[in-house]
Amino acid sequence: DAGVIQSPRHEVTEMGQEVTLRCKPISGHDYLFWYRQTMMRGLELLIYFNNNVPIDDSGMPEDRFSAKMPNASFSTLKIQPSEPRDSAVYFCASSYGGNQPQHFGDGTRLSIL
Amino acid sequence: AQKVTQAQTEISVVEKEDVTLDCVYETRDTTYYLFWYKQPPSGELVFLIRRNSFDEQNEISGRYSWNFQKSTSSFNFTITASQVVDSAVYFCALSESRSSASKIIFGSGTRLSIRP
Repeated sequence: DAGVIQSPRHEVTEMGQEVTLRCKPISGHDYLFWYRQTMMRGLELLIYFNNNVPIDDSGMPEDRFSAKMPNASFSTLKIQPSEPRDSAVYFCASSYGGNQPQHFGDGTRLSIL
Repeated sequence: AQKVTQAQTEISVVEKEDVTLDCVYETRDTTYYLFWYKQPPSGELVFLIRRNSFDEQNEISGRYSWNFQKSTSSFNFTITASQVVDSAVYFCALSESRSSASKIIFGSGTRLSIRP
């Protein structure tokens, strides 16, 4: 079975550019989560969706970050404009039901120069 | 508010030693879930175990075992006869059971190094 698929795996771009991270959750999963991992702050939940509806976006750092889930099989996390402090590994995860184990993608390593 | 504390930042042991990773949590809910995840050097996060607050039975899976004690709000993880492949960062996590909430709060992780 295919796991959570994230793209790209690596992204290097200059500050000010728009960055779009993509995620395809496991088929049938109704929850989707976006996390950011840095050495300083660890794993932070940015936003999560249930049945394509954003439930909690309190972890989104600022207005430069936005996330969408247009359908059950696709989500995007967008940063515009990007800044060097956005450099991190961004993980997408999905689960079937609330409070269930989350299955993580391999992450996108983002570097903003 | 929920909180997960992994006081051990790094642990290094020699192969075949037993090692215990500590996890202490805080929550006001009576129903909650605890998790352990493994993050090997390759970077992916791998689910290991989920335990609900009403099940205090210890769990054993091969060389891995988990000790859940509500009295001390702890959910410790022991690796018996450690192997080099166990080297990873291990995260403990907590999720509270509310109507539509499914936020998992992760601890800061313990980096485990197993030396040959």
